[in-house]
Amino acid sequence: DIVMIQTPLSLSVTPGQPASISCKSSQSLLHSDGKTYLYWYLQKPGQSPQLLISEVSNRFSGVPDRFSGSGSGTDFTLKISRVEAEDVGVYYCMHSIQFPYTFGQGTKLEIK
Amino acid sequence: EVQLVESGGGLVQPGGSLRLSCAASGFTFSNYEMNWVRQAPGKGLEWLSYISGTGTTIFYADSVKGRFTISRDNAKNSLYLRMNGLRAEDTAVYYCAREDWNDALDIWGQGTMVTVSS
Repeated sequence: DIVMIQTPLSLSVTPGQPASISCKSSQSLLHSDGKTYLYWYLQKPGQSPQLLISEVSNRFSGVPDRFSGSGSGTDFTLKISRVEAEDVGVYYCMHSIQFPYTFGQGTKLEIK
Repeated sequence: EVQLVESGGGLVQPGGSLRLSCAASGFTFSNYEMNWVRQAPGKGLEWLSYISGTGTTIFYADSVKGRFTISRDNAKNSLYLRMNGLRAEDTAVYYCAREDWNDALDIWGQGTMVTVSS
């Protein structure tokens, strides 16, 4: 199984400041079809997870452009250019290149 | 509105069984692959199972293989998870999630709580 490791596990950010979360996979997420099967989700307090980013860097419909994803192979990053109060929650990376799909441990973002 | 609504959770004794349902609306259900994901109290997300649009291709996490069965009824726009041999460690919120063309889990239900306890 592919292991997904996120760092840090928690983050405290002042509103308006940037934030960055790293996700590393134990195997490359680049498929022979040319796609990289890495996704980012946010679970706000008391809510279901919601999709933020598909295939490393494609923002899902309605996701603000302060969120961006980057990376390749086994190393990926989610960046928030200017954190807002509504961004609090737990962020997860996930792969779907093979079964079983696996998630990172989650990174809890709180506002200072 | 695109929506997934889970039901069927509850309190069950160890060794017992439960069937979860996920009702889909607002999209052509048969066109989409579906998944079940769970979250134990205070823990992270764990993928459990996948089913193709036709129901012919199925995968499970090792933690539930042989105990859980995923299925779907496209005529009823419904996804199911039959859970047998439940253990305390199966206590969790269970989510159904739609898989989009980019293989992302783009739509999630609100979740249904399963508690396994005597």
